[in-house]
Amino acid sequence: KQEVTQIPAALSVPEGENLVLNCSFTDSAIYNLQWFRQDPGKGLTSLLLIQSSQREQTSGRLNASLDKSSGRSTLYIAASQPGDSATYLCAVSSGGYNKLIFGAGTRLAVHP
Amino acid sequence: GAVVSQHPSWVICKSGTSVKIECRSLDFQATTMFWYRQFPKQSLMLMATSNEGSKATYEQGVEKDKFLINHASLTLSTLTVTSAHPEDSSFYICSAYPGGGTEAFFGQGTRLTVV
Repeated sequence: KQEVTQIPAALSVPEGENLVLNCSFTDSAIYNLQWFRQDPGKGLTSLLLIQSSQREQTSGRLNASLDKSSGRSTLYIAASQPGDSATYLCAVSSGGYNKLIFGAGTRLAVHP
Repeated sequence: GAVVSQHPSWVICKSGTSVKIECRSLDFQATTMFWYRQFPKQSLMLMATSNEGSKATYEQGVEKDKFLINHASLTLSTLTVTSAHPEDSSFYICSAYPGGGTEAFFGQGTRLTVV
């Protein structure tokens, strides 16, 4: 059974810091891995999608890497801003394309 | 990006009544739709997978008679919470998959409160 773990569970940093959020999964047989952002009481915003054959994806200040063999992914956020404050969720597509298994998330707070 | 509309965004109902939540793909046809629920400060848990024109596939531990899923067209799936109880209070969110190796797109979610 696929399990997804995210570390840390919560993170509070001053504005401008570079951050690394970690995600690990137990079964390397995945189709893809996605990082999402969720604001309180809201739905999900897809940030980055990495196919199983890819090693990383970049979008603006965000960079996500995937090491499928070791079951790990990292989300790197450069020059963090207060507007980055949200919960970041990692999800792997396992047991069926786009059948997503989510981690518990990392709650990020960036203070001015 | 593709748009998935979920309605209502929030609903309060009395215990014992049924509530229907709609999930629509506005600018694409969704071969598959997924329903998730999220308890406060917890992650999303997959409830069921629905394919247009066929019965939904429920995850282990999800009562199919309580959470009725209908995927009558390629743009609409509905989740009906029957005989709702306070423990069904949660955030329900759908995603729609256009197929072809693309990603799934998520609705805005529905906050259900059963009183």
